[in-house]
Amino acid sequence: DAKTTQPTSMDCAEGRAANLPCNHSTISGNEYVYWYRQIHSQGPQYIIHGLKNNETNEMASLIITEDRKSSTLILPHATLRDTAVYYCIVRVGTGANNLFFGTGTRLTVIP
Amino acid sequence: ETGVTQSPTHLIKTRGQQVTLRCSSQSGHNTVSWYQQALGQGPQFIFQYYREEENGRGNFPPRFSGLQFPNYSSELNVNALELDDSALYLCASSKDRLYGYTFGSGTRLTVV
Repeated sequence: DAKTTQPTSMDCAEGRAANLPCNHSTISGNEYVYWYRQIHSQGPQYIIHGLKNNETNEMASLIITEDRKSSTLILPHATLRDTAVYYCIVRVGTGANNLFFGTGTRLTVIP
Repeated sequence: ETGVTQSPTHLIKTRGQQVTLRCSSQSGHNTVSWYQQALGQGPQFIFQYYREEENGRGNFPPRFSGLQFPNYSSELNVNALELDDSALYLCASSKDRLYGYTFGSGTRLTVV
C-alpha cells in the first residue's frame, strides 16, 4: 500500500471549515483513499473514502486531485466534537487488505 | 444493529503470562481485523480473519495468534507477554473485506 504524508497537527476555529491535506504521491490506480478519525480513548471511526471522484457524505467531503497524488478532507462546519486525530490511508479495495495507519493529523477545534 | 464489542475493556497482566481478548463483530460482518495501538502511535495491523481463516498478517511474532468462530466473533491470544505488549488492542469488522471498517473501543492491556 502507498504511504501517506499528513501534517502533525492543525487548529481550526469552531464553525469554520477544517481542511485536512494528505499527500499520497505513490498511489496506485487500484488504491482507494480512506479517512478515519480517532477521538481520545475510542476506536477509529470511518469517515469517507474515494477512488478518483470527489465524494460527500453526512460527515465530510473528500476532494481528490486529478492526478490522485493528494487529497483533502473537508469538515464543512467544525465543532468541538470534531477534535480528534485524523488518519489518511490508501489501500487496495479488495483482497487481503488491511489498514496501515500513520501518525495522522491531530485536529484541535478552538472555541 | 449492534456495533463491534470488545471485552474486557481493561486488563492488567504480568510479564510472561498469557492473555485472551475477545471481539464480537458487527451484525452481518464476516471479516475481523486486530490492531495494536501503542501510546501516541497509530494502530498497527496484527492480522485479519475472513470466514474463519487467517487472511493476512502484519509484522507480529507467532506468540500473537487468533481465532474466528462460526458466528464471526474472534479472539486474540498473546503468549509470553512482554512489557512492550502494553497497548490498546482494537478489533475491527467489515463485510467481505470491503468498504469501511467498524472499530470497537478496544481493550487496554497493561503488562507489569
